[in-house]
Order: sequence, then structure tokens, then C-alpha cells
Amino acid sequence: QKEVEQDPGPLSVPEGAIVSLNCTYSNSAFQYFMWYRQYSRKGPELLMYTYSSGNKEDGRFTAQVDKSSKYISLFIRDSQPSDSATYLCAVYPSGTYKYIFGTGTRLKVLA
Amino acid sequence: NAGVTQTPKFQVLKTGQSMTLQCAQDMNHEYMSWYRQDPGMGLRLIHYSVGAGITDQGEVPNGYNVSRSTTEDFPLRLLSAAPSQTSVYFCASRGADSYEQYFGPGTRLTVT
Repeated sequence: QKEVEQDPGPLSVPEGAIVSLNCTYSNSAFQYFMWYRQYSRKGPELLMYTYSSGNKEDGRFTAQVDKSSKYISLFIRDSQPSDSATYLCAVYPSGTYKYIFGTGTRLKVLA
Repeated sequence: NAGVTQTPKFQVLKTGQSMTLQCAQDMNHEYMSWYRQDPGMGLRLIHYSVGAGITDQGEVPNGYNVSRSTTEDFPLRLLSAAPSQTSVYFCASRGADSYEQYFGPGTRLTVT
């Protein structure tokens, strides 16, 4: 079983829709959770990170962690064509210096 | 600040050739990492460094060497290129007191 699992998509939504992107992870000891956005032929960029459980909001983006079900979510409100990208979730096991990435979900927001 | 820079952007190698992928950062970050990204496999860690003179293996280190003689530079060496090393390579850095990794623009490598 992979340590972080993510549906590859692609996911196509109309402009203005609410998008839900999800990952599951296997190790209940993970405490730090991240979402990266990667535009085509570019390097990933950090969107948000959260520590432990709960929600974190930044503009149109909300990251949510449910440690009881080992589920990480990213919600995008009022999605825009400029949100079209691949979204990668990642976990950071404390004390390891290493990040573990999901395979990424391709999102397409249609104008 | 240029951030994380990588050269070259594209490279084609023949099987058995060697080459070095360059990575530099100007943010005085202690931690630097090399990843490869393949379709359906996500980002996989090749090697990483927690400071000048200190390197360690990641998930997929075979066929690659690294060294870190300065804080700024972290080159990745392919010793004898194989078609299985065809991939997009990303370098990343972060400060010791931050979880935010900054990625370079990537190097697209094809081995024929």
C-alpha cells in the first residue's frame, strides 16, 4: 500500500464550481500535510500546509485534515480557468527531512 | 532573488553517457533535495542534503550521485545513463525552520 494515495483524475469542472480534491494516507503518525499546485511544465509550488487535524483557509482555498479517517482534502471555491493545474498532496513525517507526495490530480476548469 | 535555478532545461543523452544536472539556490536554505517525476509515480526523492558536506539517500538513489560543497549548490550526477532515467528532475530547497519547499523549474531528461 502506498503511503499517500491520490486519484489522478483528470477532473473537469465548469468555471465557478466548488472543487474537492482528496488524498488518503496510511500512517497515523503523520502530522504535517501540504498541498502543492503544479502548472504544466513548471515546478510545484506550495499552496497550503496544515499541522494535525482541522481546517485552514486562504482566500478561495481551504485545506482540511481528518486524522480519524486519514483523509486530506483541498477545496477550491469559485474555481477559475487559472486554477487548471495538477494538485499534489504531501505529508511530512516528523524528524525525517523527507516529504512523501501523492501522484497528483489533474484539474481542468472550463470557461 | 532568483530562487531555485536548474540547468539545463532539456537534455538528451545516449545510454552509458554521464552528465551533471546543476541546481543552485540563493535563499541561504540549509535543506536541498532532488526529485524525479514520472507519470503515475508522482515525485520521488532521489537524494537530499541537510547542509554543506551532508547528504543522504532518498527513495530512488541508484544510478545517481550528489555532493554539497557549498550551501548554494547541489549538483546531481548521472554516472551511466539508462533509459529508465528518462524523467523530469526537480531540485528543491527549504530553510531548516520552515516546511515550505521551493522547487526549481525542472530538467527534462531523455535517455535513448
